[in-house]
Amino acid sequence: GAGVSQSPSNKVTEKGKDVELRCDPISGHTALYWYRQRLGQGLEFLIYFQGNSAPDKSGLPSDRFSAERTGESVSTLTIQRTQQEDSAVYLCASRSRDRGLSYNSPLHFGNGTRLTVT
Amino acid sequence: AQKVTQAQTEISVVEKEDVTLDCVYETRDTTYYLFWYKQPPSGELVFLIRRNSFDEQNEISGRYSWNFQKSTSSFNFTITASQVVDSAVYFCALRALIQGAQKLVFGQGTRLTINP
Repeated sequence: GAGVSQSPSNKVTEKGKDVELRCDPISGHTALYWYRQRLGQGLEFLIYFQGNSAPDKSGLPSDRFSAERTGESVSTLTIQRTQQEDSAVYLCASRSRDRGLSYNSPLHFGNGTRLTVT
Repeated sequence: AQKVTQAQTEISVVEKEDVTLDCVYETRDTTYYLFWYKQPPSGELVFLIRRNSFDEQNEISGRYSWNFQKSTSSFNFTITASQVVDSAVYFCALRALIQGAQKLVFGQGTRLTINP
């Protein structure tokens, strides 16, 4: 079946503009995560959705960043008034519902959106 | 706090050598999961293995093996007889239930280069 799909794959924007990144998780996956990966760096957690609620927004770097999710489906990550330091690959991942207390389902990652702010 | 440390930033070996990637984690939770992911030059993240905190049995899958030791909070990954195709960035990750929410925390990654 289809994997996690992210669009656009590449986005170049001017500083100060708003951008919207989209993630289509694997069908039936209840949990959805956004991560940021700067060039040559590790994965930085941004936000996690369980269904359409976000129990953990602790990773959002500033109030310019927001995300929403419709049901157990598409999620959008919006960055307002982009800055050059926002340039990175934004990765989305989803996973299936855990069984009872056994939260062991692995994350399935999309290919990411490469954002370049000029 | 939940934290994953991959102290080796970069490793470079010659093909056919064995190589071990270190991962040390911190968590207060008694129930947690550990993962390894591979990120080849193409960029996608590929799931390799998960291990739960109750199962310290080591695992071998072909040339890959994992050594989980709770006593030292380590979950090391060994590639035997390395190949050029193993060149990638490898991430160790920890998932635990934190304040009612699932959180997956990644280490900074180890860039592995296998030279022919």
